[in-house]
Amino acid sequence: QLVLTQSPSASASLGASVKLTCTLSSGHSSYAIAWHQQQPEKGPRYLMKVDSDGSHNKGDGIPDRFSGSSSGAERYLTISSLQSEDEADYYCQTWGTGIWVFGGGTKLTVL
Amino acid sequence: EVQLVESGGGLVQPGESLRLSCAASGFTFSSYWMHWVRQAPGKGLVWVSRINSDGTSISYADSVVKGRFTISRDNAKNTLYLQMNSLRAEDTAVYYCARDLSYYDSSGYAKPSQFDYWGQGTLVTVSS
Repeated sequence: QLVLTQSPSASASLGASVKLTCTLSSGHSSYAIAWHQQQPEKGPRYLMKVDSDGSHNKGDGIPDRFSGSSSGAERYLTISSLQSEDEADYYCQTWGTGIWVFGGGTKLTVL
Repeated sequence: EVQLVESGGGLVQPGESLRLSCAASGFTFSSYWMHWVRQAPGKGLVWVSRINSDGTSISYADSVVKGRFTISRDNAKNTLYLQMNSLRAEDTAVYYCARDLSYYDSSGYAKPSQFDYWGQGTLVTVSS
């Protein structure tokens, strides 16, 4: 079964960096994922696609502070030079034949 | 500029029906697969349904829809729809439409992909 696992919460200080993790279920370690950001009371926003080789393809207007990488079944989103507006929920997404799946989301708090 | 604008949400009683719409602009709507995703209050994103670019292929999250929802599109009107019947309290959520980058390869095989644009959502509340 295609499942994505995310930690429920993360925190980091203003100006620092944070690395969020999304883990693919067993047998799906070659799958690409996408990261989406959801700021409070807003619709989600596509950030980037991250492939199994770590290459990533960002959405329109996404700052260079956001980057993606991979290791095995884990996919990462790194945000550097954290700003207050980065405080949001971050969801990873993957897909298969006729199915699209979201992780449970990580709530990022900027201290 | 790509825009997706949902409408049609509201307060309904259990067992009633509702049709959501998603008006698309800023891109060639007929070239893209489209989806509905929902988010219950305080919860995460849940994929609901998808339709391919010409409406000939559809899939649903069966555990969510249970045969009660129907996705459709009108490419002449650049609009995506979700017909929801027999609504239940657990269907209460913000419903988002999203554009997808999936495509068919040269052999005609579907290549699913990620969402790249989302709407702002429309709230559906099912309560007596």
